[in-house]
Amino acid sequence: DAKTTQPPSMDCAEGRAANLPCNHSTISGNEYVYWYRQIHSQGPQYIIHGLKNNETNEMASLIITEDRKSSTLILPHATLRDTAVYYCIASYTSYGKLTFGQGTILTVHP
Amino acid sequence: EAGVTQFPSHSVIEKGQTVTLRCDPISGHDNLYWYRRVMGKEIKFLLHFVKESKQDESGMPNNRFLAERTGGTYSTLKVQPAELEDSGVYFCASSQVVLTEASTDTQYFGPGTRLTVL
Repeated sequence: DAKTTQPPSMDCAEGRAANLPCNHSTISGNEYVYWYRQIHSQGPQYIIHGLKNNETNEMASLIITEDRKSSTLILPHATLRDTAVYYCIASYTSYGKLTFGQGTILTVHP
Repeated sequence: EAGVTQFPSHSVIEKGQTVTLRCDPISGHDNLYWYRRVMGKEIKFLLHFVKESKQDESGMPNNRFLAERTGGTYSTLKVQPAELEDSGVYFCASSQVVLTEASTDTQYFGPGTRLTVL
């Protein structure tokens, strides 16, 4: 799996958009970009994934650059409950194993 | 639909004792994974089952760890004998079988079992 790089921490005001960047410059053509998050004392939670195109679901949007070397997870209206560690993972779908890095600690403040 | 469940939520044991963790995946999910996070470290993959078969056990730290999934439903992870460095949170995840190129192996995690070895 390609290595990903994320900032260790970020802050966001409640109600504003949270934009979490991820670099994956060595990603291969058939590796997906997955985002998970872990809220304190809970198991990791799937958020979204994508290959080439931008993706949106009820939780977030994923913007992948055209060269696929980086991506941004967008939480459009962050709430206090979005405070968590966010993980960006590059993974081949058929392999299954997820390789977690240190992630980004997102703190949403009032 | 029930999510992935794990039992117990917490376990405190003495060094040298045996502990068995249980994971019940989402109904119908053939893939079952074990991960763990030890203090201060990243979440690490341990093992992947496809139904009752071990697909990938490259993350198992040593032979004190034994994972089983008889019948392809729930799974157990036994640590025998437990050592201090085994303390951490053990997560289980499950996903459906990938049937087409368009499918992706989204994993759904349980709440974890916090293991403390004294």
